[in-house]
Formats: sequence, C-alpha cells, structure tokens
Amino acid sequence: AQSVTQLDSHVSVSEGTPVLLRCNYSSSYSPSLFWYVQHPNKGLQLLLKYTSAATLVKGINGFEAEFKKSETSFHLTKPSAHMSDAAEYFCVVSPWDNYGQNFVFGPGTRLSVLP
Amino acid sequence: GAVVSQHPSWVICKSGTSVKIECRSLDFQATTMFWYRQFPKQSLMLMATSNEGSKATYEQGVEKDKFLINHASLTLSTLTVTSAHPEDSSFYICSARDSFGGETQYFGPGTRLLVL
Repeated sequence: AQSVTQLDSHVSVSEGTPVLLRCNYSSSYSPSLFWYVQHPNKGLQLLLKYTSAATLVKGINGFEAEFKKSETSFHLTKPSAHMSDAAEYFCVVSPWDNYGQNFVFGPGTRLSVLP
Repeated sequence: GAVVSQHPSWVICKSGTSVKIECRSLDFQATTMFWYRQFPKQSLMLMATSNEGSKATYEQGVEKDKFLINHASLTLSTLTVTSAHPEDSSFYICSARDSFGGETQYFGPGTRLLVL
C-alpha cells in the first residue's frame, strides 16, 4: 500500500528566508510524485512533478524538490520565501502500478510567511 | 494550458434539494475525471473516479445513489448531490487527467456547498 507522510502540519518562515517542506512516501513500486499548492478557498495548483527522470525537479514560482529513493523522500524547497507563498501544500504519490487512478494525498503542510 | 473549471463556485441550498456541480476541462480531453471532498483544514478525500461513457467507480463509504456522477463527454463531468442535508456541506473539488498526458491530475477551483 502507498502512503504519504508530511512531517510538519505547519511551517512558519520569515519573508526572504528558505523554505523546506518535508515529504516521505512509501510505495511498492517506483512512484510518480507531485507537489500541489492550495490557496484559501481555491483548488489545487500543480507546483512540480517527478516521473522517473531527473531526481532534482524544478517547478513554478522558484520551488524545487529532490527525489531521494534511499530516503523515500521528496522534500520541497525554495531559496527565498515570498508573502504570496503562504498556502497549504500537499505532497501526492501516484502508484506506478495503478497508472494514477488513485492519487494518495499527504495530510498537507500549512506554510505561513511572516513579514 | 490544462485548465479545469467548476460551476458553480459556491452554492447555498435548502435541505432536501438536489445540487448539480459541473466540472469541465477547457483545453484538453479528459477520459478520466475525479471528484474529491475536502473538509476544513483537512486533505482531499477521493469520492469517485469518473470515466467517460461508463459508470463511475465510487470509493468505499461513498453512497452512489447520493452522489450521482455523469461523464457524458470528454470535457464534462457532473456531480449531483441528491436530497442534500447539512452534513453534505463541504468543499467539492474535481480534477481531470489529460487523455494523452500521463498521470498528472489538473484540479478545478472547487465548489463550496452549504446546505441549510
């Protein structure tokens, strides 16, 4: 069975400082992994995805994530936080053996950015 | 590209009425669409998988007669909440997978339902 753990339910950073949102997964096969962002009362926007190509994935708005198979991690980073980054972030695993029929969502991490 | 719309964005209805929510893929064809429900401060819960031209696949615990799903075309899926009750109040989000574009799901902006 696949599962996703987001170790921090809430992360608070100051504007201009680095962001680290942690995600660990368990999967029987080599999965595809995604990060989505959700602003209040909005749908989810795709930030980036890993699909067995380069392990360092660059996404939109300066975010990137590194797939580390040995650590079963896919942490999301950004060098410098902006106020507009304040939102809820979801790490998602898509099991290879099920061709994405069922996304498995992490519980989410709420990012606060302080001025 | 890969834009998904939902209509309405919010709806308030009386208990016992039915509400229809539309999900459209605007610039791609979507053989498969998904319907999720999200409670406040929680993650998304998959309700059902909607396949164009066939019956939807419902997750365990989701009443198919309560939440009717129709996927009549490659760009439109509808969710009808029948005989809505206050406990059905929630944020409903759809997503669509590009028929030619792999596993990525593109999400709609969500529909806020409040049942009085």
